[in-house]
Amino acid sequence: NAGVTQTPKFQVLKTGQSMTLQCAQDMNHEYMSWYRQDPGMGLRLIHYSVGAGITDQGEVPNGYNVSRSTTEDFPLRLLSAAPSQTSVYFCASSPTDSNQPQHFGDGTRLSIL
Amino acid sequence: QQPVQSPQAVILREGEDAVINCSSSKALYSVHWYRQKHGEAPVFLMILLKGGEQKGHDKISASFNEKKQQSSLYLTASQLSYSGTYFCGTETAGNMLTFGGGTRLMVKP
Repeated sequence: NAGVTQTPKFQVLKTGQSMTLQCAQDMNHEYMSWYRQDPGMGLRLIHYSVGAGITDQGEVPNGYNVSRSTTEDFPLRLLSAAPSQTSVYFCASSPTDSNQPQHFGDGTRLSIL
Repeated sequence: QQPVQSPQAVILREGEDAVINCSSSKALYSVHWYRQKHGEAPVFLMILLKGGEQKGHDKISASFNEKKQQSSLYLTASQLSYSGTYFCGTETAGNMLTFGGGTRLMVKP
């Protein structure tokens, strides 16, 4: 079982560049979410989705866009990268809503110069 | 608003016990507990739902007091493998799951 797959695993960007972090799950989970984790800190919720076509903002949505066109995929777009967005990004999914165990991907380590 | 965890860090000897607390200023629907090893993704430990339940898994258990909006994680007779950072996640209205800042646990031989 692949579970939650995030790509790329590592990425270095220059300030102002845009990019998309990919997240795919093969468990037919309805609920998906994106978190960022700064060094030595906790997980902060960026955006989440309760199903295809439905997305909502989390705690720190500014500078990020998401879409959910299929159940399997939940990409995160950085519109214009800033050094403050240097972080480890985790995607997670669960069967129905957040009241279920979250399955995390391995993370994407993003550095913005 | 993120839940607050305490303590921020704990150092134990093998076999000692520890308690990690998690509190929220908002009404909670559920509380999640995860453990994260350095450089890895968080791993699910347990979920506690409304109703003041207590759960256990091996020597790790947790309680949830929904009236006080608090949860506690109990680690009994700690093992070296328990080392890592423990996060509580709280679900409030709107299906948002937000996490605390984490508690770093180090178990020494």
